[in-house]
Amino acid sequence: AQSVSQHNHHVILSEAASLELGCNYSYGGTVNLFWYVQYPGQHLQLLLKYFSGDPLVKGIKGFEAEFIKSKFSFNLRKPSVQWSDTAEYFCAVNVPNSNSGYALNFGKGTSLLVTP
Amino acid sequence: GAVVSQHPSRVICKSGTSVKIECRSLDFQATTMFWYRQFPKKSLMLMATSNEGSKATYEQGVEKDKFLINHASLTLSTLTVTSAHPEDSSFYICSASVGRHGYTFGSGTRLTVV
Repeated sequence: AQSVSQHNHHVILSEAASLELGCNYSYGGTVNLFWYVQYPGQHLQLLLKYFSGDPLVKGIKGFEAEFIKSKFSFNLRKPSVQWSDTAEYFCAVNVPNSNSGYALNFGKGTSLLVTP
Repeated sequence: GAVVSQHPSRVICKSGTSVKIECRSLDFQATTMFWYRQFPKKSLMLMATSNEGSKATYEQGVEKDKFLINHASLTLSTLTVTSAHPEDSSFYICSASVGRHGYTFGSGTRLTVV
């Protein structure tokens, strides 16, 4: 079955530390990959996405992700986190759904806590 | 742009009653909308996809008679949880398709059935 795996469920970092959140997917076709962030009490917001082209994708707020096709991975990175990055992070893959279209298939999410 | 407004944000209802959740696209026409359910410490699970003017397509394992979805206009989709039970308590999120492979999300509804 198609799936999205996020290996880190809870991450605690100090401010200025570097961040890398893992994401692997199991889907054999062409993939569109996404990272979303959900701040406490807010809706999901798009951080970045990969459709094609340069596998290193830069997103908002200093985040970037690298698509490695051979590893079926799309890890999220940020060189220096801030307290305001405390949030839930979701990796997602756009896959065909029952409606004969596409829908997002999400990983279980990673809860990031950045301490001062 | 591409804002989706979801109401209510929180609702508490008695077991056996029905609850309606609304999802409106404020500044665009949402041809396709999605309804997700999010369990604590779990991923968002796609429940169903709806296209304006047609019946919703439900994912495997989702009871279509319990979770009624109506997408009667290009700006409004509703999810009605019928005869709600405590196990239906969850966080429900709507999403709309924007452009090609783009999505925007509502802020979610916390449903508690007592």
